[in-house]
This record gives sequence, C-alpha cells and structure tokens, in this order.
Amino acid sequence: DAKTTQPPSMDCAEGRAANLPCNHSTISGNEYVYWYRQIHSQGPQYIIHGLKNNETNEMASLIITEDRKSSTLILPHATLRDTAVYYCIVRDTGKLIFGQGTTLQVKP
Amino acid sequence: EAGVVQSPRYKIIEKKQPVAFWCNPISGHNTLYWYLQNLGQGPELLIRYENEEAVDDSQLPKDRFSAERLKGVDSTLKIQPAELGDSAVYLCASSFEGTGVGEQFFGPGTRLTVL
Repeated sequence: DAKTTQPPSMDCAEGRAANLPCNHSTISGNEYVYWYRQIHSQGPQYIIHGLKNNETNEMASLIITEDRKSSTLILPHATLRDTAVYYCIVRDTGKLIFGQGTTLQVKP
Repeated sequence: EAGVVQSPRYKIIEKKQPVAFWCNPISGHNTLYWYLQNLGQGPELLIRYENEEAVDDSQLPKDRFSAERLKGVDSTLKIQPAELGDSAVYLCASSFEGTGVGEQFFGPGTRLTVL
C-alpha cells in the first residue's frame, strides 16, 4: 500500500502558484519523498525528490517539514500544461508505490 | 537523448489470445521496471530487473504473465492467455541505480484492450 495521503483534486489559476500537499506520517529515516506527475495518455514524469532538506529545480520546489511527516510540492507559476495527476511517493527499497495522486486542474 | 521506447502503443486482442509488449530502456540504465496501470489508478509494479536478473517479481501473476530481459537491455512482457481483466496500460521504466535513489524514466505505455 502507498504510504502517502493526498487530496484527490485541486484547482489552480493560471500564473499562480500551485501548492500540492502530501502526508507521509509513517516515513522512516532513510526513505526519500518523490514527486511524479502524469499528463493524460503519457507515462509518469519525474519532478523532484528529497530526504530532509528543501529542494528546488527548474520544475518545482519541494518543502519537507522538519518532522518529515508531510511535504508540499510547489509549482511557482502554474500553466495550463501543468494540468496532470501528481503523485507523492515514499520510496521503499527501490520500489515506487504509487497512490491515486492529486488531479491538478489549472484554469485560465 | 532518446527516452524509453515501448511498442506497440495500442493493442486490441480477443480473450484467450497471447500478447507481447516490448521495451527498450534508456542507454546505460541497468534497472528496468514493468508497471500495470488500471484506469483511474496509479501504476503498480509487476517486475523489476537489475541487469538480467529479476529482483522483484512478487506482483507478477506467474500463471499467465512472463517477462524476460535478454542481455540486460531490451525486455519483453508476455501474457498468455489474456483475460478481459488484463485490459490496462502497461508501462515500462528504466533507471540507473548506482546510488539506489535513481530517477525512473517512463515510456509512453502500451494500452491493451481485451475483447
């Protein structure tokens, strides 16, 4: 079973920041938090991952709470092309266990 | 750099027929994964290879599903015979697991419809 809990859906206005929350209260000390997204009819696409510290790349920022029990993926300026299902995953022994994710709808 | 290649993209067969899916991973990636994705669900791992060895096939229904990864590069996933419930998208992914936290790159998937 997936170790994460995400809201099933969210809306965001185009150009605004999208903040996608994820709870992973049972995460263990050496497990990473990964985020992937899946645009309709495509395979999942890696976004970012982190262990303890906040991370930023060209796609997004990942904020992990100090107790590591939750995290937030931030898309700083959402575009219509960011409409997708976003999966938060706690990586377990090399295996990605996907939940149902959050469907993000970016609206004009 | 070429991504993960899968073929065919779509396949329609009648139940009880055999079917095979092919995957060519990204060059240099030692780890290859096959996932099953049902409509409205996240992908579920079927099998993971490290080089030629299947290191996790616990979720592969071995009565009808088989997989191989010859020479540690391309891989084939087969279903024989197919059942109506096998209709789904079959995704292949690859990664370089040098440090154990490698990013997985996914192919576009093969959408199987069993009639």
